Amino acid sequence: DARVTQTPRHKVTEMGQEVTMRCQPILGHNTVFWYRQTMMQGLELLAYFRNRAPLDDSGMPKDRFSAEMPDATLATLKIQPSEPRDSAVYFCASGERNTDTQYFGPGTRLTVL
Amino acid sequence: GESVGLHLPTLSVQEGDNSIINCAYSNSASDYFIWYKQESGKGPQFIIDIRSNMDKRQGQRVTVLLNKTVKHLSLQIAATQPGDSAVYFCAENRASGGSYIPTFGRGTSLIVHP
Repeated sequence: DARVTQTPRHKVTEMGQEVTMRCQPILGHNTVFWYRQTMMQGLELLAYFRNRAPLDDSGMPKDRFSAEMPDATLATLKIQPSEPRDSAVYFCASGERNTDTQYFGPGTRLTVL
Repeated sequence: GESVGLHLPTLSVQEGDNSIINCAYSNSASDYFIWYKQESGKGPQFIIDIRSNMDKRQGQRVTVLLNKTVKHLSLQIAATQPGDSAVYFCAENRASGGSYIPTFGRGTSLIVHP
């Protein structure tokens, strides 16, 4: 049963620290999406990749957030420096070729103190 | 601006009842819609989708209805079960870069009482 995996599942850090979240998309999927979920804003798209190339990161605060795909099996989302307002659940989703269905990972719950 | 929203934040039903979750969208150019289910501690899970050239689509125990005239979407769950308890999101999708990019509504919490 192929699934999107995310690590870590939980992260507590202090303001100013760097945070790196990792995602392993489903093998063979060619699109990867990063979302942030909060009670106030709901689910927000931060960035997405197609064939490892970033296509849209307009939803991401550019000064502190960065998203990359070093290879087809790994996507990363970094926050540096982290702030309390970054506290949220971050989801990664991957999509297979020629369909519009996204498969979500279990999320990383980030708490910035 | 354009938005996707839900009419009812919480819906409580008895096991065995039919459930209807509603969603309004405002971008008349949207041509693809998806319903997701999110259980506690998990990521959203695809339930069913519908394209704008259809007004109804059925799955296993679920039906999505699309009314483009009033820009309204609904999800019907037949014979609701306790396992259906979750938050349900509708998402309107826009085409970009060869993919569909969703904008999610705020969600409706469905509570199924045994």
